[in-house]
Amino acid sequence: EVQLSESGGGLVQPGGSLRLSCAASGFTFRDFAMSWVRQAPGRGLEWVSSIYGGGVGTYHAESVRGRLTISRDNSKNILYLQMNSLRADDTATYYCAKLEGHPHREYYFDYWGRGTLVTVSS
Amino acid sequence: QSALTQPPSVSGAPGQRVTISCSGRSSNIGVSAVSWYQHLPGTAPKPLIYVNDQRPSGVPDRFSGSKSGTSASLVISGLQSDDEADYYCATWDDSLNGYVFGTGTKVTVL
Repeated sequence: EVQLSESGGGLVQPGGSLRLSCAASGFTFRDFAMSWVRQAPGRGLEWVSSIYGGGVGTYHAESVRGRLTISRDNSKNILYLQMNSLRADDTATYYCAKLEGHPHREYYFDYWGRGTLVTVSS
Repeated sequence: QSALTQPPSVSGAPGQRVTISCSGRSSNIGVSAVSWYQHLPGTAPKPLIYVNDQRPSGVPDRFSGSKSGTSASLVISGLQSDDEADYYCATWDDSLNGYVFGTGTKVTVL
């Protein structure tokens, strides 16, 4: 059974840093692209970033480029999101999701975690 | 990141059929496949449709998807009370070099 479990969320001051982790199990982690998707309070889903199986290809939304960075450790089956220079509008529940299909135009998010809440506030 | 456009809400009585539209552009829906997700706050989003009209195993055939040009639709037939949730479309956008989600539609069962 595929399982994705996020951790690392919490309260951080504006300008601060946080690292989110997503522990994956139930599939061959290194063979699949992974993503982070977030949902701000009262708002819709927003794609944040994606990384391909070997970790070579990464993509980030314009709103987070240069501040949030996706990475992975295929030896530990863990996906990361390093979050720097955090702003109030980064406050959201962050979901880890597995990608399935043919990149990019036929990919979809086939498994999701339950999310971890990041609150950026002084 | 420009979002795909969905109606904020749709509603229907139990047993009825509702349609959720998803409007995009030539750089996204026009050239990429669309997927649909059901989301209850506090839970993991659930995929309902992938590659425009394919259902993952376990998704009832009451849910169906289609795509034409730069728009897509999700139809829920035989509406049930546990279909009350938020629904999102998503696709890849060539000009943004990333994924985009729809604005989301809240389905209410009357």
